[in-house]
Amino acid sequence: NAGVTQTPKFQVLKTGQSMTLQCAQDMNHNSMYWYRQDPGMGLRLIYYSASEGTTDKGEVPNGYNVSRLNKREFSLRLESAAPSQTSVYFCASSEGGLAGRQFFGPGTRLTVL
Amino acid sequence: AQSVTQPDIHITVSEGASLELRCNYSYGATPYLFWYVQSPGQGLQLLLKYFSGDTLVQGIKGFEAEFKRSQSSFNLRKPSVHWSDAAEYFCAVGSSGTYKYIFGTGTRLKVLA
Repeated sequence: NAGVTQTPKFQVLKTGQSMTLQCAQDMNHNSMYWYRQDPGMGLRLIYYSASEGTTDKGEVPNGYNVSRLNKREFSLRLESAAPSQTSVYFCASSEGGLAGRQFFGPGTRLTVL
Repeated sequence: AQSVTQPDIHITVSEGASLELRCNYSYGATPYLFWYVQSPGQGLQLLLKYFSGDTLVQGIKGFEAEFKRSQSSFNLRKPSVHWSDAAEYFCAVGSSGTYKYIFGTGTRLKVLA
């Protein structure tokens, strides 16, 4: 039981490049989330998926797109990376809504030059 | 507007001393309240949560928190801190019927031997 896994762990991009961050969970959870963590800002929700087939914007969705590929996988795409997207990205999953605790992946550290 | 405030950015305590980390929230609905811990280079782990009922909740690793509605606070406490408790602690709030948490900016705890 791996929990929530994220790939890659580290990534360096140049401005304007695109990339996809991958997230998978093996706990059969309905809900999945993408956060970014910046110094002094805590965690901010980018997008979430309440259940398979649905996605919704969070607090800071601009510049990102997501895909809930199936119940296990939830990917985050940066179409044209900007230095302001330099951050640590966390994926999380939960059984359903806020009643279920969120389980976090180990994070992806992204630097955009 | 909904918000979570952790007024202490850094706290330093000696090993064996007691600890209290402050969290204040502003939320229109009945809040669901959480404390998470993040060790360096790791994702977040749930320490405890409050939904309803007894306002003093027990969590893992010997932590507890008390919900005080009149003060809009949910402070985290531990009677005797261990060196392994050095980490960053996040308070989060949400409400029933939503899938979104709001996280505080975090308190970084340093433990002196």
